Amino acid sequence: GESVGLHLPTLSVQEGDNSIINCAYSNSASDYFIWYKQESGKGPQFIIDIRSNMDKRQGQRVTVLLNKTVKHLSLQIAATQPGDSAVYFCAENIDFNKFYFGSGTKLNVKP
Amino acid sequence: NAGVMQNPRHLVRRRGQEARLRCSPMKGHSHVYWYRQLPEEGLKFMVYLQKENIIDESGMPKERFSAEFPKEGPSILRIQQVVRGDSAAYFCASSPTGGLNTGELFFGEGSRLTVL
Repeated sequence: GESVGLHLPTLSVQEGDNSIINCAYSNSASDYFIWYKQESGKGPQFIIDIRSNMDKRQGQRVTVLLNKTVKHLSLQIAATQPGDSAVYFCAENIDFNKFYFGSGTKLNVKP
Repeated sequence: NAGVMQNPRHLVRRRGQEARLRCSPMKGHSHVYWYRQLPEEGLKFMVYLQKENIIDESGMPKERFSAEFPKEGPSILRIQQVVRGDSAAYFCASSPTGGLNTGELFFGEGSRLTVL
């Protein structure tokens, strides 16, 4: 399944399916991006990052794609598991010392 | 190696009271950031501090809010004369280096402030 936008949409997927979470960032000068996962009642956890000189980066079961032309970032989670249920935020680093976070996408994994 | 420690985890205050939120960064980290999160929203940058210095407070309201990171002890976010609109989760993050290009930004579990 796919979701678009920064207004906390909910993406529901079946366990074992692949998930794609999208993010549109605001500033063409942003040169560094991070995806965070936030479980209910907890702080954000770093998942994966990507710099603007790359268009793809892979981690364990996760892939981040960056399209600078349209200022779009996506997070792909392979073989989604119930433990992946959380809110996912993309964050863009414009200034030296702070990130701007989107509103997040809630991922709901159905067993 | 303990992570970023925040306390209290939950704080209830009446309008007009003061709230003090504390953050102990990870061992060896000298850079601290405070973010605020309203329900179903993303995190909003408030302030960036190094030991004894405020580096960037552009996201912090000019009145009633202050932050410090003393040479010894935790970083403190202080909210005076709280109003209901201050109710939120306040997250602290720490980093071993300034300039977040390394991605090494570690968040605490947050302090949830409720103003009655």
